[in-house]
Amino acid sequence: GQNIDQPTEMTATEGAIVQINCTYQTSGFNGLFWYQQHAGEAPTFLSYNVLDGLEEKGRFSSFLSRSKGYSYLLLKELQMKDSASYLCAVATDSWGKLQFGAGTQVVVTP
Amino acid sequence: DVKVTQSSRYLVKRTGEKVFLECVQDMDHENMFWYRQDPGLGLRLIYFSYDVKMKEKGDIPEGYSVSREKKERFSLILESASTNQTSMYLCASRGARLAGREQYFGPGTRLTVT
Repeated sequence: GQNIDQPTEMTATEGAIVQINCTYQTSGFNGLFWYQQHAGEAPTFLSYNVLDGLEEKGRFSSFLSRSKGYSYLLLKELQMKDSASYLCAVATDSWGKLQFGAGTQVVVTP
Repeated sequence: DVKVTQSSRYLVKRTGEKVFLECVQDMDHENMFWYRQDPGLGLRLIYFSYDVKMKEKGDIPEGYSVSREKKERFSLILESASTNQTSMYLCASRGARLAGREQYFGPGTRLTVT
């Protein structure tokens, strides 16, 4: 079966760093996506990893280890607007079908 | 700018009604998806279409059907709505069959079945 696990909620202070872990076991692997979803809004794309290693995009970085079935999203210099749900999703085939984790709610406090 | 639109943000229907959820994308994308999102369960794929008139079942297709008569439009149909289909429904589209092409999501339709 398919299994994607991430923590339910994380709290951090403005200006701090938060790391959201995601572990996966899927029948196929064609890359791992991270999406951000603010309450009541559509998910928006943050990052994509298909090879092992770190991808950096401004304040956000994403890491992948395929052998360990593990990824993390690193949010640096947290801002209040980063309070949102972060979704880990694995592309399981070349059509781009995604299996999602349940999402991690990040709460940024002043 | 990329745009995926859904016909309604909020919808209230009665048990047994036939419900149509419409999704339109303006990016000439081949692939379109319907998900439902429930607390604690994340997004789950209902149906997928990789071309006009082509469709494939996702993980939870029971109680749903889809229609894709034109490339830009993908409809989700609840043949006889039930209370357990109360959920947030999200449509998404994606470009050609290339790894790394992200899905673009519509704003969602919150459906309540009473």
